[in-house]
Amino acid sequence: EPEVTQTPSHQVTQMGQEVILRCVPISNHLYFYWYRQILGQKVEFLVSFYNNEISEKSEIFDDQFSVERPDGSNFTLKIRSTKLEDSAMYFCASSPDGVLNTEAFFGQGTRLTVV
Amino acid sequence: AQKITQTQPGMFVQEKEAVTLDCTYDTSDQSYGLFWYKQPSSGEMIFLIYQGSYDEQNATEGRYSLNFQKARKSANLVISASQLGDSAMYFCAMRGIYNQGGKLIFGQGTELSVKP
Repeated sequence: EPEVTQTPSHQVTQMGQEVILRCVPISNHLYFYWYRQILGQKVEFLVSFYNNEISEKSEIFDDQFSVERPDGSNFTLKIRSTKLEDSAMYFCASSPDGVLNTEAFFGQGTRLTVV
Repeated sequence: AQKITQTQPGMFVQEKEAVTLDCTYDTSDQSYGLFWYKQPSSGEMIFLIYQGSYDEQNATEGRYSLNFQKARKSANLVISASQLGDSAMYFCAMRGIYNQGGKLIFGQGTELSVKP
């Protein structure tokens, strides 16, 4: 069964460093997402991406964040200068389309720890 | 704005019994979709069940069913014959027709513990 793959599964980084979280969405999917889950809290939407551009972003997704689909298979989230409060689980998800009844398929997550 | 509320931070259920996890929502959209996801301790998000706002019948998927009451804006998940492997966090989520790109809005989650 096709699945969304995220790497790495865990990342520890120093405050102020740049990190890139990588995702390989399901191959025929058109919509891609990043979500964040701070430990013990709810899952929060960061950004959606379609047709090589951002279709929507949340207030959390400020200038420190960027997304890219560099080669038609990978989908990356970059955090330019990490802060302690960026420590969270980051989920990549993809959907074949953006219609109401289509589930989002989630990757297993990358746990980011900023020290 | 859309909002999902899950008022039960934690629930306990005896193995083999049924349990209902509550979810209420708020939206001004006429068309929307409601989803339930399971998050075991390993962290991944597993899709369980979907209910569309115009679906006349409650959704069912195996041991999972959705008690959808549109007038009350509730979409409670019912798990029948609970198993130890059902112990996990459960999230209710919504997607509205005007959500560009189909983002999901999640509730705070309910942690279910199944006792042997």
